[in-house]
Amino acid sequence: ILNVEQSPQSLHVQEGDSTNFTCSFPSSNFYALHWYRWETAKSPEALFVMTLNGDEKKKGRISATLNTKEGYSYLYIKGSQPEDSATYLCAFDSTLTFGKGTMLLVSP
Amino acid sequence: NAGVTQTPKFRVLKTGQSMTLLCAQDMNHEYMYWYRQDPGMGLRLIHYSVGEGTTAKGEVPDGYNVSRLKKQNFLLGLESAAPSQTSVYFCASSLALSREQYFGPGTRLTVT
Repeated sequence: ILNVEQSPQSLHVQEGDSTNFTCSFPSSNFYALHWYRWETAKSPEALFVMTLNGDEKKKGRISATLNTKEGYSYLYIKGSQPEDSATYLCAFDSTLTFGKGTMLLVSP
Repeated sequence: NAGVTQTPKFRVLKTGQSMTLLCAQDMNHEYMYWYRQDPGMGLRLIHYSVGEGTTAKGEVPDGYNVSRLKKQNFLLGLESAAPSQTSVYFCASSLALSREQYFGPGTRLTVT
């Protein structure tokens, strides 16, 4: 199983700050990259599925980009709110491998 | 639609006991997955299925068996539970490999 790495492991920001995290994955045999949002005591919920190099997807204040040639994806949150506090997971589709997540805490 | 449901929500087993976790989905999804979640380890794939009657091994399949006799159900069995299988188990389903996965609420299993 090839590694899917996420950084940073955790992040603490103030309300209103913009932030971003990274997911790196094997650049060979790429099929799709998934982003999930996982709130405490709940189940992971899908944010984005990205398939094409150069893809950029947006949902409200959250957006993601994809670079399959170099094997990374960025997730951006603009103007973080306390309700954005969660663990953000990425998953490499070809091997059904999840990263360990970035835990985001947004303080009011 | 109920989405993905898991039964039971909690269970405590003694070492050596057996049990079956049931996952059901009402979205007519072809793909179903079983993961375990342990502190510091993230989600790890145990087994998955690409359609009724098919199963395949994931990253950590040892000590588990699965069956997919009906498209809507995916069963995870522990034949002889071990303390190392104490974990939270999540089931998920998706329309296809490149589509988003929908997760169940999880089953917290403790093996003493």
